[in-house]
Amino acid sequence: RKEVEQDPGPFNVPEGATVAFNCTYSNSASQSFFWYRQDCRKEPKLLMSVYSSGNEDGRFTAQLNRASQYISLLIRDSKLSDSATYLCVVNGPYNFNKFYFGSGTKLNVKP
Amino acid sequence: DTEVTQTPKHLVMGMTNKKSLKCEQHMGHRAMYWYKQKAKKPPELMFVYSYEKLSINESVPSRFSPECPNSSLLNLHLHALQPEDSALYLCASSQGQGDQPQHFGDGTRLSIL
Repeated sequence: RKEVEQDPGPFNVPEGATVAFNCTYSNSASQSFFWYRQDCRKEPKLLMSVYSSGNEDGRFTAQLNRASQYISLLIRDSKLSDSATYLCVVNGPYNFNKFYFGSGTKLNVKP
Repeated sequence: DTEVTQTPKHLVMGMTNKKSLKCEQHMGHRAMYWYKQKAKKPPELMFVYSYEKLSINESVPSRFSPECPNSSLLNLHLHALQPEDSALYLCASSQGQGDQPQHFGDGTRLSIL
């Protein structure tokens, strides 16, 4: 079983839509959780860290559910510029220097 | 602008060449990473340096040789590469503790002829 699993999509949504992605992780002792976005042929860029209490940054909201071992990312009022691949990344638990990547979820926002 | 700088941005080399990829960060991070990424796949971990010592080698072939001259610099020496080694090579750094994320450079796009 993979350490981190994501639905590869693509998710095709119209501008202004709300879209949500989930990501599951296999090790219940995992410590830290992150969402990155990656544009085609570019490097991954940190979108947000995911805290136990959940966190929000503008149109983006991330949640952590430790009991069910998943994290989620909600994007409200989608913009064309949100089109990208969203990578779920999990860190730990035994080595803070080891990060496990999901395969990524592709989002296409259409006009 | 990225705080992790990689050079060169693009590299084309023959299978008999020797070249090096370079990475630099000035964020005081103590962990540095090399990843390989193929199209439509997530980054694949190659090496991790923690406090300038190699801490993880993900069974990478010896034609890839990492080096960490100091806490800010990370090199990847390449020799006798194969066409299947063509990929985007990403360097990243992190504080190496707690819940701190990685920060990526913009990568070197490597093509092996």
